[in-house]
Amino acid sequence: DAGITQSPRHKVTETGTPVTLRCHQTENHRYMYWYRQDPGHGLRLIHYSYGVKDTDKGEVSDGYSVSRSKTEDFLLTLESATSSQTSVYFCAISESRTPNMSPQHFGDGTRLSIL
Amino acid sequence: AQKVTQAQTEISVVEKEDVTLDCVYETRDTTYYLFWYKQPPSGELVFLIRRNSFDEQNEISGRYSWNFQKSTSSFNFTITASQVVDSAVYFCALSEASNSGNTPLVFGKGTRLSVIA
Repeated sequence: DAGITQSPRHKVTETGTPVTLRCHQTENHRYMYWYRQDPGHGLRLIHYSYGVKDTDKGEVSDGYSVSRSKTEDFLLTLESATSSQTSVYFCAISESRTPNMSPQHFGDGTRLSIL
Repeated sequence: AQKVTQAQTEISVVEKEDVTLDCVYETRDTTYYLFWYKQPPSGELVFLIRRNSFDEQNEISGRYSWNFQKSTSSFNFTITASQVVDSAVYFCALSEASNSGNTPLVFGKGTRLSVIA
């Protein structure tokens, strides 16, 4: 299994509070991604990173920010959580040289509930 | 823009039946990659297969087989002699090669397969 660890695995918080999710990899892969999974929508990309300090927006980036200060860590922050951000969040990584053709490997997910 | 459609939202079969999960994709690129992922009830996402657009040869892996047809833009997944352990949500995904390398996968909405003993 790809060495990907997401923390926390579960979190319940209140509307308006900041939340940070962490993705840690031990594979030294350049590309890292954050997705959210919601019923009826499948997986949708929030943000991704193609290197340290190099990030870009995905399909559903509003309300989220990311940071990548080290190769192994990719943080997803909800500055002021809303109930619509209740979801399961997945981190993924892919190999460096050919990200489009390489399969992405996923962490176990973080279940986030915003009350 | 790339798009993946999995028209079957849920499928229920009896154990040992064969089942085919449909995946239809849209892309303007001539070079692209197709993937299938499995998400069992435990929630993790497991990579099953990758196929590139230049390789239309069907693939078989045990009870699993994949039929890639460019003429119909389809990449269907068949499970032969289904088992209860095959119960999961299955996702088809597409990646275009022409993008700068920063474009991730586009997923279909998934098909939930329930295999009943």
